Amino acid sequence: KAGVTQTPRYLIKTRGQQVTLSCSPISGHRSVSWYQQTPGQGLQFLFEYFSETQRNKGNFPGRFSGRQFSNSRSEMNVSTLELGDSALYLCASSSYLTPYEQYFGPGTRLTVT
Amino acid sequence: AQTVTQSQPEMSVQEAETVTLSCTYDTSESDYYLFWYKQPPSRQMILVIRQEAYKQQNATENRFSVNFQKAAKSFSLKISDSQLGDAAMYFCAYRIQGAQKLVFGQGTRLTINP
Repeated sequence: KAGVTQTPRYLIKTRGQQVTLSCSPISGHRSVSWYQQTPGQGLQFLFEYFSETQRNKGNFPGRFSGRQFSNSRSEMNVSTLELGDSALYLCASSSYLTPYEQYFGPGTRLTVT
Repeated sequence: AQTVTQSQPEMSVQEAETVTLSCTYDTSESDYYLFWYKQPPSRQMILVIRQEAYKQQNATENRFSVNFQKAAKSFSLKISDSQLGDAAMYFCAYRIQGAQKLVFGQGTRLTINP
């Protein structure tokens, strides 16, 4: 069974631009969570989607948004990029059968210049 | 608010020896899960071991075991017979039952010396 995939793996953007990151969960997994990882703040929860509905949201500004499609694939969008948005963005998927286990993707490294 | 604290930013151990990574957490919840994740240089976060708070027995997965002290809110990871492939960042994480949000500690960088 294929793991969680994230595209692109690396991204360089300029301040003020917007970016969209994609996450494809493990087949059959309906929950997708997003995390931001930075050296200063560590790993922080962004949001979680289940069956196309946002179930939980972390403490991030409204510039960070996401959505989930009917096939459980998820995207997150960051508008008006700031230098501080440079980070590794990780997504994780889980199944209702084993909700305590989250499987992470390799991440997207976003650099804002 | 739930918090997770890892007091050891870095640890090192000789190959084949045993090392213990510390983690404490703060919560007012009674039903929750605790996890140790490993993140090697490849960046892929890998689940090492999990512990359900309602279970008194400490979890074990091959060379990895935990010491779960619920009253003290302590959750340490012991790695026995350390191998070079164990070198990575280790994150302690907490999740309340019914939610997917993980709260992570700041991580401990583990180095294995040959």
